[in-house]
Amino acid sequence: SQELEQSPQSLIVQEGKNLTINCTSSKTLYGLYWYKQKYGEGLIFLMMLQKGGEEKSHEKITAKLDEKKQQSSLHITASQPSHAGIYLCGAPALNTASKLTFGTGTRLQVTL
Amino acid sequence: GAVVSQHPSRVICKSGTSVKIECRSLDFQATTMFWYRQFPKQSLMLMATSNEGSKATYEQGVEKDKFLINHASLTLSTLTVTSAHPEDSSFYICSARGGGGSPYNEQFFGPGTRLTVL
Repeated sequence: SQELEQSPQSLIVQEGKNLTINCTSSKTLYGLYWYKQKYGEGLIFLMMLQKGGEEKSHEKITAKLDEKKQQSSLHITASQPSHAGIYLCGAPALNTASKLTFGTGTRLQVTL
Repeated sequence: GAVVSQHPSRVICKSGTSVKIECRSLDFQATTMFWYRQFPKQSLMLMATSNEGSKATYEQGVEKDKFLINHASLTLSTLTVTSAHPEDSSFYICSARGGGGSPYNEQFFGPGTRLTVL
Protein backbone atom coordinates (compact mmCIF):
# COMPACT_ATOMS: atom_id res chain seq x y z
CA SER A 1 0.00 0.00 0.00
CA GLN A 2 1.07 3.54 -0.60
CA GLU A 3 2.50 5.61 2.22
CA LEU A 4 2.98 9.34 2.30
CA GLU A 5 5.55 10.79 4.64
CA GLN A 6 5.39 14.48 5.41
CA SER A 7 8.22 16.56 6.76
CA PRO A 8 8.55 18.27 9.02
CA GLN A 9 5.96 16.81 11.39
CA SER A 10 5.56 20.18 13.05
CA LEU A 11 6.82 23.63 12.41
CA ILE A 12 6.85 26.91 14.29
CA VAL A 13 7.67 29.99 12.26
CA GLN A 14 7.60 33.68 12.94
CA GLU A 15 5.04 35.73 11.08
CA GLY A 16 6.44 36.94 7.79
CA LYS A 17 8.83 34.04 7.32
CA ASN A 18 8.72 31.58 4.45
CA LEU A 19 8.37 27.85 4.94
CA THR A 20 8.25 24.61 2.97
CA ILE A 21 6.45 21.35 3.71
CA ASN A 22 7.35 18.18 1.85
CA CYS A 23 5.30 15.12 1.02
CA THR A 24 7.17 12.02 -0.14
CA SER A 25 5.42 8.97 -1.52
CA SER A 26 6.55 5.35 -1.28
CA LYS A 27 5.04 4.71 -4.72
CA THR A 28 4.47 6.52 -8.00
CA LEU A 29 2.33 9.60 -7.69
CA TYR A 30 -0.62 9.93 -10.05
CA GLY A 31 -1.53 13.33 -8.75
CA LEU A 32 -1.39 15.03 -5.41
CA TYR A 33 -3.81 17.03 -3.31
CA TRP A 34 -3.00 19.48 -0.56
CA TYR A 35 -5.48 20.20 2.23
CA LYS A 36 -5.47 22.32 5.34
CA GLN A 37 -7.22 21.32 8.54
CA LYS A 38 -7.93 23.33 11.64
CA TYR A 39 -7.95 21.23 14.80
CA GLY A 40 -11.25 19.41 15.17
CA GLU A 41 -12.58 20.56 11.83
CA GLY A 42 -12.88 19.26 8.32
CA LEU A 43 -10.43 19.64 5.48
CA ILE A 44 -10.12 22.69 3.28
CA PHE A 45 -9.01 21.99 -0.27
CA LEU A 46 -5.95 24.01 -1.23
CA MET A 47 -4.87 22.72 -4.60
CA MET A 48 -4.52 19.72 -6.82
CA LEU A 49 -1.50 18.78 -8.92
CA GLN A 50 -2.05 16.42 -11.78
CA LYS A 51 1.23 15.89 -13.52
CA GLY A 52 4.92 15.95 -12.99
CA GLY A 53 6.51 19.36 -12.98
CA GLU A 54 3.22 21.09 -12.38
CA GLU A 55 3.26 24.09 -10.11
CA LYS A 56 0.24 25.94 -8.80
CA SER A 57 -0.15 29.01 -6.68
CA HIS A 58 -3.00 30.45 -4.69
CA GLU A 59 -2.42 33.65 -2.80
CA LYS A 60 0.78 33.02 -0.87
CA ILE A 61 0.82 29.25 -1.20
CA THR A 62 2.66 27.45 -3.99
CA ALA A 63 2.76 23.71 -4.55
CA LYS A 64 4.91 21.67 -6.90
CA LEU A 65 4.86 18.05 -7.97
CA ASP A 66 8.08 16.21 -8.78
CA GLU A 67 7.01 12.89 -10.24
CA LYS A 68 10.54 11.53 -10.54
CA LYS A 69 11.23 12.10 -6.89
CA GLN A 70 7.73 10.94 -5.97
CA GLN A 71 7.48 14.11 -3.98
CA SER A 72 5.48 17.29 -3.64
CA SER A 73 6.31 20.47 -1.79
CA LEU A 74 4.10 23.19 -0.41
CA HIS A 75 5.67 26.60 0.05
CA ILE A 76 4.16 29.46 2.01
CA THR A 77 5.55 32.92 1.48
CA ALA A 78 5.41 35.57 4.19
CA SER A 79 3.45 33.40 6.60
CA GLN A 80 0.55 34.81 8.59
CA PRO A 81 -1.28 33.58 11.69
CA SER A 82 -4.15 32.57 9.40
CA HIS A 83 -1.85 29.97 7.83
CA ALA A 84 -1.66 28.04 11.09
CA GLY A 85 -3.16 24.58 11.02
CA ILE A 86 -2.44 21.05 9.90
CA TYR A 87 -1.41 20.53 6.30
CA LEU A 88 -2.17 17.19 4.73
CA CYS A 89 -1.16 15.83 1.37
CA GLY A 90 -3.33 13.20 -0.29
CA ALA A 91 -2.56 10.93 -3.21
CA PRO A 92 -5.08 9.20 -5.46
CA ALA A 93 -4.61 5.54 -6.29
CA LEU A 94 -4.06 4.47 -9.90
CA ASN A 95 -7.05 2.25 -10.46
CA THR A 96 -9.40 3.90 -8.04
CA ALA A 97 -8.42 7.50 -8.48
CA SER A 98 -11.18 8.71 -6.24
CA LYS A 99 -9.64 7.06 -3.19
CA LEU A 100 -7.09 9.12 -1.36
CA THR A 101 -4.25 8.07 0.88
CA PHE A 102 -3.29 10.83 3.25
CA GLY A 103 0.09 11.88 4.50
CA THR A 104 1.14 11.97 8.10
CA GLY A 105 0.39 15.69 8.39
CA THR A 106 2.41 18.77 9.25
CA ARG A 107 1.31 20.98 12.13
CA LEU A 108 2.14 24.63 11.49
CA GLN A 109 2.18 27.34 14.11
CA VAL A 110 2.82 30.96 13.22
CA THR A 111 4.01 33.21 16.00
CA LEU A 112 3.68 36.96 16.12
CA GLY B 1 -18.81 25.88 -4.11
CA ALA B 2 -19.65 22.38 -3.00
CA VAL B 3 -20.69 22.08 0.63
CA VAL B 4 -20.80 18.94 2.71
CA SER B 5 -22.42 18.89 6.12
CA GLN B 6 -22.24 16.37 8.94
CA HIS B 7 -24.61 15.83 11.80
CA PRO B 8 -24.10 15.76 14.67
CA SER B 9 -20.88 17.68 15.12
CA ARG B 10 -20.33 16.11 18.52
CA VAL B 11 -21.86 13.13 20.21
CA ILE B 12 -21.28 11.47 23.54
CA CYS B 13 -22.76 8.06 24.14
CA LYS B 14 -22.59 5.20 26.59
CA SER B 15 -20.68 2.06 25.79
CA GLY B 16 -22.85 -0.49 24.03
CA THR B 17 -25.14 1.96 22.32
CA SER B 18 -25.29 2.73 18.62
CA VAL B 19 -24.64 6.11 17.05
CA LYS B 20 -25.64 7.35 13.62
CA ILE B 21 -23.71 10.05 11.81
CA GLU B 22 -25.12 11.74 8.72
CA CYS B 23 -23.18 13.17 5.82
CA ARG B 24 -25.00 15.36 3.32
CA SER B 25 -23.92 17.05 0.11
CA LEU B 26 -25.92 20.26 0.17
CA ASP B 27 -25.60 21.66 -3.33
CA PHE B 28 -24.44 18.80 -5.50
CA GLN B 29 -25.13 15.15 -6.09
CA ALA B 30 -22.50 12.86 -4.67
CA THR B 31 -22.13 9.60 -6.51
CA THR B 32 -19.41 8.55 -4.10
CA MET B 33 -18.96 9.27 -0.42
CA PHE B 34 -16.04 8.35 1.76
CA TRP B 35 -15.79 7.84 5.49
CA TYR B 36 -12.58 8.50 7.36
CA ARG B 37 -11.57 8.38 10.98
CA GLN B 38 -8.86 10.42 12.57
CA PHE B 39 -7.25 9.79 15.92
CA PRO B 40 -5.64 12.67 17.83
CA LYS B 41 -2.54 13.99 16.13
CA GLN B 42 -2.82 11.42 13.39
CA SER B 43 -3.77 11.54 9.77
CA LEU B 44 -7.04 10.50 8.17
CA MET B 45 -7.57 6.80 7.62
CA LEU B 46 -10.09 5.74 5.01
CA MET B 47 -12.68 3.39 6.46
CA ALA B 48 -14.98 2.79 3.54
CA THR B 49 -16.18 4.01 0.18
CA SER B 50 -19.86 4.09 -0.62
CA ASN B 51 -21.55 4.52 -3.95
CA GLU B 52 -25.18 5.50 -4.11
CA GLY B 53 -27.46 2.51 -4.26
CA SER B 54 -24.80 -0.12 -3.70
CA LYS B 55 -23.00 -1.71 -0.80
CA ALA B 56 -20.06 0.08 0.70
CA THR B 57 -16.51 -1.12 0.14
CA TYR B 58 -14.60 -1.37 3.38
CA GLU B 59 -10.87 -1.01 3.83
CA GLN B 60 -8.88 -3.84 5.26
CA GLY B 61 -9.27 -4.12 8.99
CA VAL B 62 -12.55 -2.20 9.20
CA GLU B 63 -15.44 -4.28 10.52
CA LYS B 64 -18.40 -3.83 8.22
CA ASP B 65 -20.82 -5.20 10.81
CA LYS B 66 -19.66 -2.64 13.33
CA PHE B 67 -19.55 0.36 11.02
CA LEU B 68 -22.73 0.24 8.96
CA ILE B 69 -22.80 2.52 5.98
CA ASN B 70 -25.85 3.42 3.97
CA HIS B 71 -25.80 5.62 0.88
CA ALA B 72 -29.46 5.68 0.06
CA SER B 73 -29.54 8.84 -2.01
CA LEU B 74 -27.20 11.04 -4.01
CA THR B 75 -27.09 13.56 -1.18
CA LEU B 76 -27.01 11.45 1.96
CA SER B 77 -24.78 8.80 3.44
CA THR B 78 -24.96 7.56 7.01
CA LEU B 79 -22.42 5.82 9.21
CA THR B 80 -23.76 3.88 12.17
CA VAL B 81 -21.32 2.80 14.83
CA THR B 82 -22.98 -0.20 16.41
CA SER B 83 -22.36 -1.27 20.00
CA ALA B 84 -19.87 1.52 20.44
CA HIS B 85 -16.93 1.09 22.80
CA PRO B 86 -14.45 3.63 24.17
CA GLU B 87 -11.87 2.62 21.55
CA ASP B 88 -14.32 3.80 18.87
CA SER B 89 -13.97 7.33 20.18
CA SER B 90 -12.53 9.32 17.34
CA PHE B 91 -13.11 12.10 14.85
CA TYR B 92 -15.13 10.84 11.89
CA ILE B 93 -14.99 12.80 8.66
CA CYS B 94 -16.93 12.18 5.50
CA SER B 95 -16.23 13.44 2.03
CA ALA B 96 -18.31 13.52 -1.10
CA ARG B 97 -17.29 13.44 -4.72
CA GLY B 98 -19.50 14.70 -7.47
CA GLY B 99 -19.91 13.11 -10.84
CA GLY B 100 -17.76 13.83 -13.81
CA GLY B 101 -15.32 12.10 -16.06
CA SER B 102 -12.07 13.30 -14.59
CA PRO B 103 -10.31 10.74 -12.38
CA TYR B 104 -9.03 13.58 -10.31
CA ASN B 105 -12.26 15.08 -9.16
CA GLU B 106 -11.63 16.61 -5.79
CA GLN B 107 -13.31 15.37 -2.66
CA PHE B 108 -15.31 17.85 -0.63
CA PHE B 109 -15.00 17.23 3.08
CA GLY B 110 -17.52 17.59 5.85
CA PRO B 111 -16.65 19.38 9.10
CA GLY B 112 -16.34 16.11 11.02
CA THR B 113 -18.10 14.48 13.94
CA ARG B 114 -16.36 13.94 17.23
CA LEU B 115 -17.57 10.76 18.89
CA THR B 116 -16.85 10.11 22.54
CA VAL B 117 -17.87 6.78 24.00
CA LEU B 118 -17.97 6.63 27.77
